[in-house]
Amino acid sequence: DIQMTQSPSSLSASVGDRVSFTCRASQSISSYLHWYQQKPGRAPKLLIFAASNLQSGVPSRFSGSGFGTDFTLTISSLQPEDFAIYYCQQSYSVPLTFGGGTKVEI
Amino acid sequence: QVQLVQSGAEAKKPGSSVKVSCKASGGTLNNFFLSWVRQAPGQGLEWMGGIIPMFRITNYAQKFKGRVTIYTDGSTSTGYMELSSLRSEDTAVYYCARDDGSGNYYDPHYEAFDMWGQGTRVTVSS
Repeated sequence: DIQMTQSPSSLSASVGDRVSFTCRASQSISSYLHWYQQKPGRAPKLLIFAASNLQSGVPSRFSGSGFGTDFTLTISSLQPEDFAIYYCQQSYSVPLTFGGGTKVEI
Repeated sequence: QVQLVQSGAEAKKPGSSVKVSCKASGGTLNNFFLSWVRQAPGQGLEWMGGIIPMFRITNYAQKFKGRVTIYTDGSTSTGYMELSSLRSEDTAVYYCARDDGSGNYYDPHYEAFDMWGQGTRVTVSS
């Protein structure tokens, strides 16, 4: 199974900050890496697919980069509604696997 | 506007089974891949398995093989996940999630989950 490791597990930031966090795969997954945002009591929401493609309707302050084993999600200017948990997920091979998440706190 | 609408919360005894449904309201599941993902209280996301209805292919995470069955009913655009031999560790919110998929019968490929159900809480307790 491909292990996905996210870092940091949590971070504190302020509105307007630029924040980045990473996701590392235990083997190359090409660009089969996706990012989700989850708020308490809600289903996850797709933000970025295939490493760097912005999902329709997602604000342009979100961006993704990376290829192979190392990936980054960046929020260019943190907004109040962005405080949430962010998960990466690989779909390179089954079983599909998720990272442990990065919690973005005020 | 297509939505994935899941069945309601369940309370089960250890050793019993649960069946959760996921209906594509306003659309069809036939041209999509459908996965089931669970989230234990305070924990992360865990993929249980998925189905590719057009190819009649199912994939299961090793952890759940033998206990989980995933299938769809094309006539009602509904997906199902059945989990047997329930134990307290199965207490979680269970989500269905759709993706466009890619590839062909010999090399199908899951993609990103662009649509999720609202989640079904399953509580296992004696």
